[in-house]
Amino acid sequence: AQSVTQPDIHITVSEGASLELRCNYSYGATPYLFWYVQSPGQGLQLLLKYFSGDTLVQGIKGFEAEFKRSQSSFNLRKPSVHWSDAAEYFCGSSNTGKLIFGQGTTLQVKP
Amino acid sequence: GAVVSQHPSRVICKSGTSVKIECRSLDFQATTMFWYRQFPKQSLMLMATSNEGSKATYEQGVEKDKFLINHASLTLSTLTVTSAHPEDSSFYICSARTSGAYTEAFFGQGTRLTVV
Repeated sequence: AQSVTQPDIHITVSEGASLELRCNYSYGATPYLFWYVQSPGQGLQLLLKYFSGDTLVQGIKGFEAEFKRSQSSFNLRKPSVHWSDAAEYFCGSSNTGKLIFGQGTTLQVKP
Repeated sequence: GAVVSQHPSRVICKSGTSVKIECRSLDFQATTMFWYRQFPKQSLMLMATSNEGSKATYEQGVEKDKFLINHASLTLSTLTVTSAHPEDSSFYICSARTSGAYTEAFFGQGTRLTVV
């Protein structure tokens, strides 16, 4: 069965600092992986996705993620965080016909 | 990106009544739609997956007789919460995508249901 785990429930970073949000997946074959962001009171927006090819994926808003099969991970990164990046981030997997998500990570950005 | 419209955005209903939430894909054909429930400060819990013209596949623990899902066309899916109770109060979000597990799913803005 597929599953997604986001180990960090809450992360606080200073504006301008780098960011890494962790995501681990469980699936036997090559997974289809996504990162979505949810701002307060809004729906989810796709940041990036991976299903094959280059393991380093570039997304919108300066985000990138790297697929590492050996570590079953798909961590999201950003070199310099902006205050507007404060939001809820969800890592998702879609392999068995359904799209499931990890627990989510709340990102707080300090001035 | 494609647009998914979810209506209503907020609804308050009395305990024991039913409420219907609509999810429409405005500019693409949604072969698959997902319904999620989100509790405060918590993740999106997948309730069911529906494919156009087929019965919805419910996740374990989700009462199919309570949460009726219909996906009668390629642009519309509905979730009906029947005989609502206060514990059904939550944020419900729909998502839609075209065929292919690797394709992007587009999300509605969500519906805040309050049962009083």
